[in-house]
Amino acid sequence: QVQLVQSGAEVKKPGSSVKVSCKASGGTFSSYAISWVRQAPGQGLEWMGGIIPFFGTANYAQKFQGRVTVTADESTSTAYMELRSLKSEDTAVYFCARGALEAGRLTWFDPWGQGTLVTVSS
Amino acid sequence: QSALTQPASVSGSPGQSITISCTGTSSDVGSYNLVSWYQQHPGKVPKLMIYEVTKRPSGVSNRFSGSKSGNTASLTISGLQAEDEADYYCCSYAASSIVIFGGGTKLTVL
Repeated sequence: QVQLVQSGAEVKKPGSSVKVSCKASGGTFSSYAISWVRQAPGQGLEWMGGIIPFFGTANYAQKFQGRVTVTADESTSTAYMELRSLKSEDTAVYFCARGALEAGRLTWFDPWGQGTLVTVSS
Repeated sequence: QSALTQPASVSGSPGQSITISCTGTSSDVGSYNLVSWYQQHPGKVPKLMIYEVTKRPSGVSNRFSGSKSGNTASLTISGLQAEDEADYYCCSYAASSIVIFGGGTKLTVL
């Protein structure tokens, strides 16, 4: 049974960066994709980007291109999401989720990490 | 890459059936049978309810079913129960390894 455990809550200043980790246990880390999804207070889910550890290739939503980097360390079964140039609107809960692949295409997300609250405030 | 369109809210009485729609375009929902649905209770982690349009993960009640016609996918919940009250999100693959979520639908069980 795969489990994803994320790093703890962060408080950041506008203009700074945050790096959230997501450690997987109980499965084969490299055979799935890891995606990052965020949820601002009272808002819906928003896919930010993801990576297939086996290939090391990452893809990003257009909205976050150039501001987010997703990486994975197969040796520790840990994925990372770094978001730069933080704004108050980036205040949200950030989830990692394991993504299943069908012919190289993301199909569904399960399980999810517990979420990491990132607060951006001066 | 606009969000998929879902109704903001739906409601139903216990025992009734409700359907939540999820409208995309020919570039996402219409092109791929890769629509999934997630249930999220307040303060909780999203839970996968339906994947690949119609498939149900092990452990999910058979009261939940999915379908698709053209650019619109749907989630139907039959025999509504109080515990079904939650937010529901659809999600679709959208080419070039991109994924799009719907805006979410709040289900109220009257």
